[in-house]
Amino acid sequence: EPEVTQTPSHQVTQMGQEVILRCVPISNHLYFYWYRQILGQKVEFLVSFYNNEISEKSEIFDDQFSVERPDGSNFTLKIRSTKLEDSAMYFCASSRTITSNQPQHFGDGTRLSIL
Amino acid sequence: AQTVTQSQPEMSVQEAETVTLSCTYDTSESNYYLFWYKQPPSRQMILVIRQEAYKQQNATENRFSVNFQKAAKSFSLKISDSQLGDTAMYFCAFMKGNQFYFGTGTSLTVIP
Repeated sequence: EPEVTQTPSHQVTQMGQEVILRCVPISNHLYFYWYRQILGQKVEFLVSFYNNEISEKSEIFDDQFSVERPDGSNFTLKIRSTKLEDSAMYFCASSRTITSNQPQHFGDGTRLSIL
Repeated sequence: AQTVTQSQPEMSVQEAETVTLSCTYDTSESNYYLFWYKQPPSRQMILVIRQEAYKQQNATENRFSVNFQKAAKSFSLKISDSQLGDTAMYFCAFMKGNQFYFGTGTSLTVIP
């Protein structure tokens, strides 16, 4: 069964550095998402992306975050100047449509640790 | 705004027994979707079951079933014949449009 894949599985970065988290959504999916889960807390929506543009974003997704689909297969989340509080598990998800008949499929996540 | 509440932070169940995880939500929408996701220690997010709000029939997926009470805005998950592999964090989620709203999760431990 096709899967959403995320790389790396664990990223360690110095505070203030830029980090790029990568995701390869399922190939025939059209909608892409990033979620964040701070350790011990609930999963929080960051952003959704469709047709090469952001369709929705949460208040967490401020100017230090950006997303891109650079080459038609990858979907990236960039954090420009990381802070300690950015340490979390970041999940990418994709769906073919936005109906429940095609629910969002999640990747295994990237654990981001900011030192 | 949509909110999802899971009032049981931790639960445990004996292997082979049945357990019910509760979830309530708040919305003014009439058409939406509800999900239960399982997050094992490996931290994946695995879809367990989903329910369309316009369907009155409760969804069932093997040992997993839901009790969907639309008027009460309640969406509980029942796990029958619990197995050790069911040990995980379970998240209830509400979906409207292309955005998920997750509850805070219930940590379920299946005891051998």
